[in-house]
Amino acid sequence: DMQMTQSPSSLSASVGDSVTITCRASQNIYNFLNWYQQRPGKAPNLLIYAASSLQSGVPSRFSGSASGTDFTLTISSLQPEDFATYYCQQTYYIRRIFGQGTKLEIK
Amino acid sequence: EVQLVESGGGLVQPGGSLRLSCAASGFTFSGSEMNWVRQTPGKGLEWVSYIDHSSSIMHYADSVKGRFTISRDNAKNSLYLQMNSLRAEDTAVYYCARETGTKDYFDFWGQGTLVTVSS
Repeated sequence: DMQMTQSPSSLSASVGDSVTITCRASQNIYNFLNWYQQRPGKAPNLLIYAASSLQSGVPSRFSGSASGTDFTLTISSLQPEDFATYYCQQTYYIRRIFGQGTKLEIK
Repeated sequence: EVQLVESGGGLVQPGGSLRLSCAASGFTFSGSEMNWVRQTPGKGLEWVSYIDHSSSIMHYADSVKGRFTISRDNAKNSLYLQMNSLRAEDTAVYYCARETGTKDYFDFWGQGTLVTVSS
């Protein structure tokens, strides 16, 4: 069964810090990997698609990279509005599975 | 402006049925693949179902297969989710989302509609 393992599940950081969130696919997904941000009470918002492409309108401090079946989301110079929950998602296989989420909190 | 507006959520008893709707505007709905995604209160995102632009292909999560049916009416720019044999574990906020691009990402989401299954 296809699985997406996201880590860490939570993370504390300060404004101005740089953070990295990782997602590992259990099978090759050929960079069909997306990242979403979700603020409390809101719908998810697409940040990165195809592992490393920045969605229009998303600040350039967000970036994505891939190495085989390992994917990373990096947020540089954290801003107050970045404290939210982040999800990865694979769309290579039929079941568009999401990772478990990473809650980014203010230290 | 792209808009997706869900409706039809509410309180239903276990074993009951509910039909969710998603009204689309601001883009060519008839050319778009669509999905339903749900989120249990305080938990993560769970993909529920997919439908292609012409209703030729539908896919379901194992947790809802045989109980939920996705459909669309391109003339009405609307997406639907018929939910039968509802269980307590189906309680969640249900989002519709547009899927697009060569790498299939969800670029627009509705605001969600809450379904509560409880006696």
